[in-house]
Amino acid sequence: AQSVTQLDSHVSVSEGTPVLLRCNYSSSYSPSLFWYVQHPNKGLQLLLKYTSAATLVKGINGFEAEFKKSETSFHLTKPSAHMSDAAEYFCVVSLILTGGGNKLTFGTGTQLKVEL
Amino acid sequence: SQTIHQWPATLVQPVGSPLSLECTVEGTSNPNLYWYRQAAGRGLQLLFYSVGIGQISSEVPQNLSASRPQDRQFILSSKKLLLSDSGFYLCAWRGQGGKSQHFGDGTRLSIL
Repeated sequence: AQSVTQLDSHVSVSEGTPVLLRCNYSSSYSPSLFWYVQHPNKGLQLLLKYTSAATLVKGINGFEAEFKKSETSFHLTKPSAHMSDAAEYFCVVSLILTGGGNKLTFGTGTQLKVEL
Repeated sequence: SQTIHQWPATLVQPVGSPLSLECTVEGTSNPNLYWYRQAAGRGLQLLFYSVGIGQISSEVPQNLSASRPQDRQFILSSKKLLLSDSGFYLCAWRGQGGKSQHFGDGTRLSIL
């Protein structure tokens, strides 16, 4: 079985300050992990992915995440928040299904608010 | 480049009416295709996935069905909608050998 836990349902930061969105995972196998962002009434956009290569993963829009096996964590960070970063963020773990395809298990999401 | 299209963007339907949501992918062949539902304030739930034409796997028992009549077309249907079918429906695709899924813009379905 696999799962992800997003530790904060809401995070509020000031523009220009660092962002930290926390995620812990549970997986029986070496996991593939992702962060997706969703703006209101929009689909999900892939921010970054970890697939057993470098443990520090850089994504789009200045985001990055570090895979820490010892802590079973995959926290998302950004050095300086921008107003356009306000959105919902999902931590996701992937499992390859028998017969093909992969199943994504989503966290419950973290709503990021950026204030002036 | 690959693109994914979902329509309609919003839909309001009465209880008991039928449903057909369509998703098409361009720029890739033999993709894996997925339908998700996102209830208000919650994460995404996988409803169906397909690894090829005519091949549909259902993840949860429900009032909905899916079909894949063509390689890059994925349809979500219902014969009679329930109030509990309201939500935001997202289609996604994954390329052969790819690790990540790519999502459409979604359909907001409201049942009255």
